[in-house]
Amino acid sequence: GAGVSQTPSNKVTEKGKYVELRCDPISGHTALYWYRQSLGQGPEFLIYFQGTGAADDSGLPNDRFFAVRPEGSVSTLKIQRTERGDSAVYLCASSLNSAANTGELFFGEGSRLTVL
Amino acid sequence: AQSVTQLGSHVSVSEGALVLLRCNYSSSVPPYLFWYVQYPNQGLQLLLKYTSAATLVKGINGFEAEFKKSETSFHLTKPSAHMSDAAEYFCAVSGRRSEKLVFGKGMKLTVNP
Repeated sequence: GAGVSQTPSNKVTEKGKYVELRCDPISGHTALYWYRQSLGQGPEFLIYFQGTGAADDSGLPNDRFFAVRPEGSVSTLKIQRTERGDSAVYLCASSLNSAANTGELFFGEGSRLTVL
Repeated sequence: AQSVTQLGSHVSVSEGALVLLRCNYSSSVPPYLFWYVQYPNQGLQLLLKYTSAATLVKGINGFEAEFKKSETSFHLTKPSAHMSDAAEYFCAVSGRRSEKLVFGKGMKLTVNP
């Protein structure tokens, strides 16, 4: 597709379960970002990939959160032992090379995670 | 460290009226500033950006914003609101050469006929 694609669009899970959220960036975009948006808040940075490597994971809240991008394209955000406080919309964005100078991130529609 | 403040969460204007969405920033380094818009059921989209060139920045759909260092502000304006402008608007800041955008809480704009 032409834009950033995220699946699933909605995920309901029980406390303590494991969850994977997938992001398919725009073709050719080397930079990929994960943000989390809680209700009534703006997006909050989680992690940035340049190619296959995580260049900045300073926003991951704790070690239950992990993300990979093994082939430099699709990325998966993994959440272990989910907690009710993890409920949020998880946003993925991509950028052609780097957002540092252009600031232009292309966002997907997000994956809404609800932990019961 | 960077942060932005968008006071209030909701603004309502009449069609044809001026749109003014306020954003104040805090940054320990010269900032880059952005406005993103989220239309219903769509992803966030870049509206305009300030990256240290002209202080008055023009964006898509008739929006513009002015960087005022003395006021640490980057307010978004549009002279005449259109029904299609109804959306949520986010101000964001980053340090130069930083990959991390820091967003405000957002402002939901309603346009009344």
